Amino acid sequence: EPEVTQTPSHQVTQMGQEVILRCVPISNHLYFYWYRQILGQKVEFLVSFYNNEISEKSEIFDDQFSVERPDGSNFTLKIRSTKLEDSAMYFCASGTGVVTYEQYFGPGTRLTVT
Amino acid sequence: QKEVEQDPGPLSVPEGAIVSLNCTYSNSAFQYFMWYRQYSRKGPELLMYTYSSGNKEDGRFTAQVDKSSKYISLFIRDSQPSDSATYLCAMSGLADKLIFGTGTRLQVFP
Repeated sequence: EPEVTQTPSHQVTQMGQEVILRCVPISNHLYFYWYRQILGQKVEFLVSFYNNEISEKSEIFDDQFSVERPDGSNFTLKIRSTKLEDSAMYFCASGTGVVTYEQYFGPGTRLTVT
Repeated sequence: QKEVEQDPGPLSVPEGAIVSLNCTYSNSAFQYFMWYRQYSRKGPELLMYTYSSGNKEDGRFTAQVDKSSKYISLFIRDSQPSDSATYLCAMSGLADKLIFGTGTRLQVFP
């Protein structure tokens, strides 16, 4: 069964450093998302991406964040200058866009900022 | 008032019990309602979805939506230890971003 994959599974970085989190969505999906989950808190929407542009972003997704689909298979989230409060699980999701509930999540990348 | 409220639990039940998990919400624009299961340090796994009000059954799982009360439920029949996980409700309106509840931690003991 096709699934969303994410790399790395765990990333440790120092405050102020740039990180890139990578995702490979399900191959025939057209809609891509990033969510995050701070330990012990709920899953929060960051950004949605369709047709090579951002379709919606949350207040969390400020100028330090960017997304890109550099080729036909990868979808990346970049954090330019990490802060301690960026420590969280980051989940990529993808969907066909036929109905909104079809969002399939990857296993996540645990980002630790020290 | 939070958009989506969910009792965090934990909810501890014996194997074979019927489990009832619930969420309330405040935004009348929500039309799509989902339940995800999340094991510790893993990604959410889509379990059930419903559109607007009504019931939907899939094996041991039944999802109910009551839009008039802004209340959704997930029932698990004949619960198994392997059902032990955190259950997240999620919902969306016309936009496709999902709004999640905090999750209810369920423990099913043998």
